Parts: sequence; structure tokens; C-alpha cells
Amino acid sequence: EAGVVQSPRYKIIEKKQPVAFWCNPISGHNTLYWYLQNLGQGPELLIRYENEEAVDDSQLPKDRFSAERLKGVDSTLKIQPAELGDSAVYLCASSLGPLGGAVQFFGPGTRLTVL
Amino acid sequence: GESVGLHLPTLSVQEGDNSIINCAYSNSASDYFIWYKQESGKGPQFIIDIRSNMDKRQGQRVTVLLNKTVKHLSLQIAATQPGDSAVYFCAETSPGNTPLVFGKGTRLSVIA
Repeated sequence: EAGVVQSPRYKIIEKKQPVAFWCNPISGHNTLYWYLQNLGQGPELLIRYENEEAVDDSQLPKDRFSAERLKGVDSTLKIQPAELGDSAVYLCASSLGPLGGAVQFFGPGTRLTVL
Repeated sequence: GESVGLHLPTLSVQEGDNSIINCAYSNSASDYFIWYKQESGKGPQFIIDIRSNMDKRQGQRVTVLLNKTVKHLSLQIAATQPGDSAVYFCAETSPGNTPLVFGKGTRLSVIA
């Protein structure tokens, strides 16, 4: 069974440019998460989807970050415009159900470098 | 910044020895805990989980111990192998749809 798929794996852009990340969760997983991971730290939740609905986006910097999950499957995370401090690994994860015991499976992440 | 991130707690063990990785959590309401392993360039990989109604759970070569009194979680790896070298994170969540909160990672280095 395929795991969580993310693309691209690496992205280098100049500041003020837009960037988008794509995630395909494990088949049948209704819950999808986007995390940000800085070097040497644990992942931090940005947004959580239950099917198409964003049910927790309190940590998403909405002035420059946006996300969507059309049709409740694939998801995209966008940053516009990117800032130097956005350099990090962006992880996507999925689980069968909502939090409270549903194990989250992570993709390999997209490493973003903003110059 | 990056210099802070590089200062991960590190545990170095000889191949074949047992490893114990510790984690202190702060939320006394947390009732579900997970250990993840993250190798370089990869996403976190689920290892083992435990609910607060248990104090020990065993998997293949791994054991998780939970001490709710002192809010402490540990991961024991038996007969540590070079492939166990990675950063290990504990994560916790509390009842309801609360986010999974990751602790500070520990880097495990296995010396062959």
C-alpha cells in the first residue's frame, strides 16, 4: 500500500515568490494534516482537514499561507509571498479518523529553502 | 535558529546494547502518546503508541513505559542496531480533537 505522497521533495525560491506543495494521503484516510518542521525540532501543526473541511487552522499564518483539500482527497498548501523564515520542511500526514487515537502517517516532506 | 536546532539531545549506544530514550510531557490531561522515529530526509515513522490506562506496552524490540505520576514516557529499544540511528520524538494528545504535540527530539547514534 502506498504511503503519503508529497511533491516536490525540494524547492528553492527567492523571497517574495509564491510556492505550493502537494499531498496525496493514504487511500481511505479522511483526516489530513499539514505540519511545519524546523531543523532539530518536532513537527508543528499548521492545519487539519476532516474530508474537505478545515477543522483546525488556528496555527496557520493566514496572511500568507493558504490550503485547500478539494474533493476530500489531495491537498495543496500555498505560501504567497514566501519569507526567509519560511525555510523549513513541510510535512503532510493522514489518518483514518480524527485525533484521539488515530495514528498519523507522515509523508517524506518538502524541504523549502527561501533565499 | 539553526544553531539551536542542532543542539538535539544525543544518545550514543553500542550496537547490540539496549537504548532508553526519555520524554517528559507537560499536559496532565494527555491520554494518548506516540513514539515516532525520523531518519534523515524522511518523515516521522510510527513506532509504538500507548494510552493513559496502560503503563507499559511492548512491540517488536521496543517497549514504551508511561509514568503518569511524574509525566514521563520512555522508549526502550532492545539489541540496538545501526538501522535504529535516527531522531526519536514523543508526541501526546488529550481527549477531544486536540492537536498532536511533539516533544523535543532525541538523536540516537548507534556505534557499530
